[in-house]
Amino acid sequence: GEDVEQSLFLSVREGDSSVINCTYTDSSSTYLYWYKQEPGAGLQLLTYIFSNMDMKQDQRLTVLLNKKDKHLSLRIADTQTGDSAIYFCAESRNDYKLSFGAGTTVTVRA
Amino acid sequence: GAVVSQHPSRVICKSGTSVKIECRSLDFQATTMFWYRQFPKQSLMLMATSNEGSKATYEQGVEKDKFLINHASLTLSTLTVTSAHPEDSSFYICSASQMPSYNEQFFGPGTRLTVL
Repeated sequence: GEDVEQSLFLSVREGDSSVINCTYTDSSSTYLYWYKQEPGAGLQLLTYIFSNMDMKQDQRLTVLLNKKDKHLSLRIADTQTGDSAIYFCAESRNDYKLSFGAGTTVTVRA
Repeated sequence: GAVVSQHPSRVICKSGTSVKIECRSLDFQATTMFWYRQFPKQSLMLMATSNEGSKATYEQGVEKDKFLINHASLTLSTLTVTSAHPEDSSFYICSASQMPSYNEQFFGPGTRLTVL
């Protein structure tokens, strides 16, 4: 995904909040997604937000969307060791194809 | 619900052989399936989109004769890597979407292909 960019690594202490950031370039994006990938596994959809929303909260997850700056973030509250994984930001357009970022590796330390 | 399986999960083959990977939607009808390739520590790259009963649409740079895709039923799509070479070694992931929620794709667990 050259159209979607993410920072590659994030280290966070257990119990703290994690914030993963993503920027995208296509203003016609209709949906923006956050996926989680654990080692050797496929992708698990964590949450998604429609492009006309600013925020979406789902239990420990909060997604913020700044459409003007084309910036998306995922906040994980009370980060646990089970949250260690690679997190992918993705966008879709009217053709339903997904364009992924390179993924942010989140490491949770005790 | 919305479970997608892939078979096999791992395959090792000799250079020059062909390998078939299956993607199944277990509890829903998938009108559209997508095939992705993921290199180590990299993002997913879309290879092709397949709609049930019609020819797959390949992304630019993906050889359609190399990566044969068949979507013969609403629950099964297959990817065949023909005459595999070591550079085809990768993690292949499929996803499936169902009408009318095209906005959500459900991903399979992936297949690790190693070509010797």
